[in-house]
Amino acid sequence: EVQLVESGGGLVQSGGSLRLSCAASGFTFSSYWMSWVRQAPGKGLEWVADINEDGRERNYVDSVKGRFTISRDNAKNSLYLQVNSLRAEDTAVYYCARENRAGNFDYWGQGTLVTVSS
Amino acid sequence: DIQLTQSPSFLSASVGDRVTITCRASQGISSYLAWYQQKEEKGPKLLIYAASTLQSGVPSRFSGSGSGTEFTLTISSLQPEDFATYYCQQLNDFPVTFGQGTKVEIK
Repeated sequence: EVQLVESGGGLVQSGGSLRLSCAASGFTFSSYWMSWVRQAPGKGLEWVADINEDGRERNYVDSVKGRFTISRDNAKNSLYLQVNSLRAEDTAVYYCARENRAGNFDYWGQGTLVTVSS
Repeated sequence: DIQLTQSPSFLSASVGDRVTITCRASQGISSYLAWYQQKEEKGPKLLIYAASTLQSGVPSRFSGSGSGTEFTLTISSLQPEDFATYYCQQLNDFPVTFGQGTKVEIK
């Protein structure tokens, strides 16, 4: 059974940093692109970043470029998101998601909440 | 970025009703559209991809259609477990984007 379990969220002051983690199991992690998608309270979904199978290709939405860094450790079946220079508008539940061959997000975790206080 | 506009944003329906949700793209996206279902406090679930292909394990009462700029998600007979929020997503252009969501509630 495919499982994605996020952790690392919390309450942080504006300008602060966090490292989000996603532990993957039930599939060959190193064979898939992975993404982070976020959802602000009461709002819709926003794709944040993705990374290819070996970690050499990374893409970001414009609003987080230069502040967020996506990475992975295939030996540990883990995905990460380093979030720096946090702003109030980064407050959201952050989900990790697996991308299937067509680029759809076919499995999602339960999310981890990041709250940025000003 | 490609904008996706869903209608309606909110829908009240009864068990057994036929429900249709529309997603319109700001420019043509061929058939690169997916639909997701999200229940409270949970990560979304992929229902349909490539506009009309049912994801494995998803009940056949869900169907999708459309291409270009207009797409629909239809639930042929609404079940109690279908009350949730539904999102469309385009994969034609970078960055991938989502519609604002359609909340389906019990009448």
